[in-house]
Amino acid sequence: DTGVSQDPRHKITKRGQNVTFRCDPISEHNRLYWYRQTLGQGPEFLTYFQNEAQLEKSRLLSDRFSAERPKGSFSTLEIQRTEQGDSAMYLCASSSTGGRGRDTQYFGPGTRLTVL
Amino acid sequence: DAKTTQPNSMESNEEEPVHLPCNHSTISGTDYIHWYRQLPSQGPEYVIHGLTSNVNNRMASLAIAEDRKSSTLILHRATLRDAAVYYCVGGPYGQNFVFGPGTRLSVLP
Repeated sequence: DTGVSQDPRHKITKRGQNVTFRCDPISEHNRLYWYRQTLGQGPEFLTYFQNEAQLEKSRLLSDRFSAERPKGSFSTLEIQRTEQGDSAMYLCASSSTGGRGRDTQYFGPGTRLTVL
Repeated sequence: DAKTTQPNSMESNEEEPVHLPCNHSTISGTDYIHWYRQLPSQGPEYVIHGLTSNVNNRMASLAIAEDRKSSTLILHRATLRDAAVYYCVGGPYGQNFVFGPGTRLSVLP
């Protein structure tokens, strides 16, 4: 168990550029979640997958945001035409629907995005 | 999703017990209560969860009120490493998505 990893850890981009983040969940976990967190706030849910199926998306998730989990393992989160308001920490978490401790979410260290 | 309310901040002395309260008056009968904590510059980590009965694990205890409208996370002996933001999250098992701003716990030496 190597934990949830995210790449990159930091990303600085200019307004209008596209960015893509990657999340590698704990290997046996079938659920994967994306959250966004701004300073002083709790994590805000964006979307989640069970295996490769995207089961829920937040109403707050604009159409500039897209997430994929093509093989039910790693996931990518893409933000198109970034805006300064997209500056935040993007957190990924994974969980398992079976076994002991099922659906306990394990979080990665996050990707900090700064949009200039 | 059940909305939760927590105090913005709390202070404790090292090696003393800490009781962190959470109100979740809109919780449904099948919603679990999860607690996570977030240390500075890290992602949140799971602490404990429960449905109706009080729960204990190596990190903490969770006391759930009989009417399930509130719960309390208990750290039996606070250490400096317990200084973090603690989140109480309510929702159906596996769908505990709504995090509030949490309680910032300071532990004084």
